[in-house]
Amino acid sequence: AQKVTQAQTEISVVEKEDVTLDCVYETRDTTYYLFWYKQPPSGELVFLIRRNSFDEQNEISGRYSWNFQKSTSSFNFTITASQVVDSAVYFCALSERGHFGNEKLTFGTGTRLTIIP
Amino acid sequence: SAVISQKPSRDICQRGTSLTIQCQVDSQVTMMFWYRQQPGQSLTLIATANQGSEATYESGFVIDKFPISRPNLTFSTLTVSNMSPEDSSIYLCSVGGAWSYNEQFFGPGTRLTVL
Repeated sequence: AQKVTQAQTEISVVEKEDVTLDCVYETRDTTYYLFWYKQPPSGELVFLIRRNSFDEQNEISGRYSWNFQKSTSSFNFTITASQVVDSAVYFCALSERGHFGNEKLTFGTGTRLTIIP
Repeated sequence: SAVISQKPSRDICQRGTSLTIQCQVDSQVTMMFWYRQQPGQSLTLIATANQGSEATYESGFVIDKFPISRPNLTFSTLTVSNMSPEDSSIYLCSVGGAWSYNEQFFGPGTRLTVL
């Protein structure tokens, strides 16, 4: 069974500091996808990134970067020079192909990030 | 990308009643998903709804409690039946998926409070 662990329940940092959100996953599949989503106080889920299991290159998008390490089953997310607007709950998720080709996302428990002005 | 709308956006219901949540997508999709997010918790998949077949429910969720309809490729409903306060959650509709799209798209959610 697939599982996603986000050990950090809550993190607070002062604005402009860098912060890394950890994500560790478990899966038996060799092909899978990993996601990060942001959920601001308004409640909607905002897609941040999708990464397949065969692509271990790190990715950078503006102030966001992701470090995928298959050897340690981790997919960590770093925000550089954090801003107050980054305050939200961040979810890591794992997608496997289930029976009958159905896809399902298994979410971690989320990390609540608070950026202090 | 897909644009998803849900109705109602929020509701307050009495114990023992039922509520039907609607999900509308602006394009035809094969699979639609219903998730639940209990207060302060993560998202849990309730069921996958394929057009033209019965919904597939995840462990812990049953059709009698959460009947789903999928009459066409752009629409689905989830009913929360015989509600209790434990059903107070955000219910989210989702489409897409990693293998079909570059992301899984989520609707804005329906915030349900059961008194």
